[in-house]
This record gives sequence, C-alpha cells and structure tokens, in this order.
Amino acid sequence: GEEVAQTPKHLVRGEGQKAKLYCAPIKGHSYVFWYQQVLKNEFKFLISFQNENVFDETGMPKERFSAKCLPNSPCSLEIQATKLEDSAVYFCASSQSGGNTEAFFGQGTRLTVV
Amino acid sequence: SQQGEEDPQALSIQEGENATMNCSYKTSINNLQWYRQNSGRGLVHLILIRSNEREKHSGRLRVTLDTSKKSSSLLITASRAADTASYFCATDLDSGAGSYQLTFGKGTKLSVIP
Repeated sequence: GEEVAQTPKHLVRGEGQKAKLYCAPIKGHSYVFWYQQVLKNEFKFLISFQNENVFDETGMPKERFSAKCLPNSPCSLEIQATKLEDSAVYFCASSQSGGNTEAFFGQGTRLTVV
Repeated sequence: SQQGEEDPQALSIQEGENATMNCSYKTSINNLQWYRQNSGRGLVHLILIRSNEREKHSGRLRVTLDTSKKSSSLLITASRAADTASYFCATDLDSGAGSYQLTFGKGTKLSVIP
C-alpha cells in the first residue's frame, strides 16, 4: 500500500491482559520502526526491523514486549500482561532504506490499559 | 533520552504571519527530519535535511541546519489556520552503528488564529 496501515485504531485492555498491535508498512519499504508516544509529546523508540530481521531492539523493554515482521504478514507488536504505564499511542513507521530516507508513520494505535 | 529540544514549546500567531520553530540537538547526526502532528493523528513527514545540507525548501516551508551549532529551524511562511498542529524535529544519529532510529524532541505546539 501507499501508506502505513496500523490496526486497531483504539485498544482497551484490562491490566494483566495481552495487547497485540499490527502494522502493514508501505510496499517496497525494507525498514519498519515502532515508537511509543506518551502524553502527546515524548516519543520513545522501541524496535526496528530490516525485512523480517530485528535490526535494533535497544528500546524494547526486556520483559513483556515482543515484536515480529514475518513475510507476507503485517508486522506485530505484542505486550504481555499489560500495565497501566503501557497506556500510550504506538506508532509504526517504514522507510525505503535505513539511512537518509524519510520515515513515514501510520496513524497509530491508542492503547488504554484500565 | 530526548536528543532534540524544540523551542518554543508553544507558539500562537495570527493567520498570515510567519512561524519559526527551532530545534537543538547534542550529538552528530546523519540527517534531521521535521514532522507535523495534528491533534490525535499520526505524524506527517515534512522535510528531511541531510547533515551536509544547509537549507531546504518545500512550498511554504523552509528548513535550515547549522551543524556547528547543532541546531535547525523550521519556518512556515504565510501561516494558515490549517497549520495549527504540533511540530517535531527528529534526528537520525550518526552513531556509527547504523541504527537509523529517530530521536524526537518534545515538539512545538503551533496555534494559528484565523
């Protein structure tokens, strides 16, 4: 597709439940990035992929968070046993190549943990 | 940690006026990108400026980059009410590790009054 598609737009989970977010990058883009935006301003890098391979996972919390980009499937970000502090908007972005190319963002998934 | 710091945090101007937002960063970069975020929406890519470039234009947008001062500015000329949004700078750090992750500032909230 011509835009990064994220689903669902909104997700509400009770504390302790699992949350799974999906991202379809722009066709032909090799890199996928996940960011977390808390409180409408601060963005935190979580993880990036080069095709199906994890490229940089330095921002991923060690526990509870995992992500995948499998061939012919949307990428996914999964949070096990959600906590209140996981409430945020999660953005996916894709870029054609890694360096010095524009990163295009999806509309985000708003996760609310209650 | 946040690399870029936008200044001012909030800016309110009349329609037709120019708006200037600044961004400072701390370490060497490969490129700097400016994004716009309308309330509750995703990030829209505005301009990418590479570390060896000093100025770029796109329509009513002008971006400058001063690597010696580690700063960038975004100028929006002849502002419109539709320009009301938050504006973020994001840097692709020249860490040598080829991470390609973007480090965002906290944004400038621009209000254009009709």
